[in-house]
Amino acid sequence: SQELEQSPQSLIVQEGKNLTINCTSSKTLYGLYWYKQKYGEGLIFLMMLQKGGEEKSHEKITAKLDEKKQQSSLHITASQPSHAGIYLCGALTQGGSEKLVFGKGTKLTVNP
Amino acid sequence: DTGVSQNPRHKITKRGQNVTFRCDPISEHNRLYWYRQTLGQGPEFLTYFQNEAQLEKSRLLSDRFSAERPKGSFSTLEIQRTEQGDSAMYLCASSLAGSGVGQYFGPGTRLTVT
Repeated sequence: SQELEQSPQSLIVQEGKNLTINCTSSKTLYGLYWYKQKYGEGLIFLMMLQKGGEEKSHEKITAKLDEKKQQSSLHITASQPSHAGIYLCGALTQGGSEKLVFGKGTKLTVNP
Repeated sequence: DTGVSQNPRHKITKRGQNVTFRCDPISEHNRLYWYRQTLGQGPEFLTYFQNEAQLEKSRLLSDRFSAERPKGSFSTLEIQRTEQGDSAMYLCASSLAGSGVGQYFGPGTRLTVT
């Protein structure tokens, strides 16, 4: 079965600092989703990346997909307390399927 | 766009009882997914539907679990003879096949089996 590893597991940053979260797959990535989750709540869709080298941005969050390395990164610029939460990456496990396999998440704390 | 809704939001039940959860997807979405999430873990796929057809089921979905989407709109997930190990957050998501847009999740139903 496909396994996704996220690093770091947790991250504490000072408001205004930049940060990067990584997601590495043990198998080929057919697509990669990033979500944000507040404790005990549902997942908020951030971005979906489908093609190698693809990069998407939304407000201060940028995500990239490196298919060769089977890896994706999520970068937050000038972090704010509102960015705090658990960031989850989910991967498409095979072409044509939309079943997602998720990593365990990265818990982000932003101190004001 | 009212988003994906799930009911109830919380359910406490005694071991051995049956429970049923409901998911209403985004109206134009034809795919609907169920996931389960336990504390400190990412969601785990259970099953998904395209319209009313159940296209894939995980090995996690034991015989005690059944999901339906009778008219291709809302879906129900039933757990029979609940066990303490069933305690988890049950998440529903929906998407539009071929749209290139991601799966959108609901707020989840938190199940506690005592």
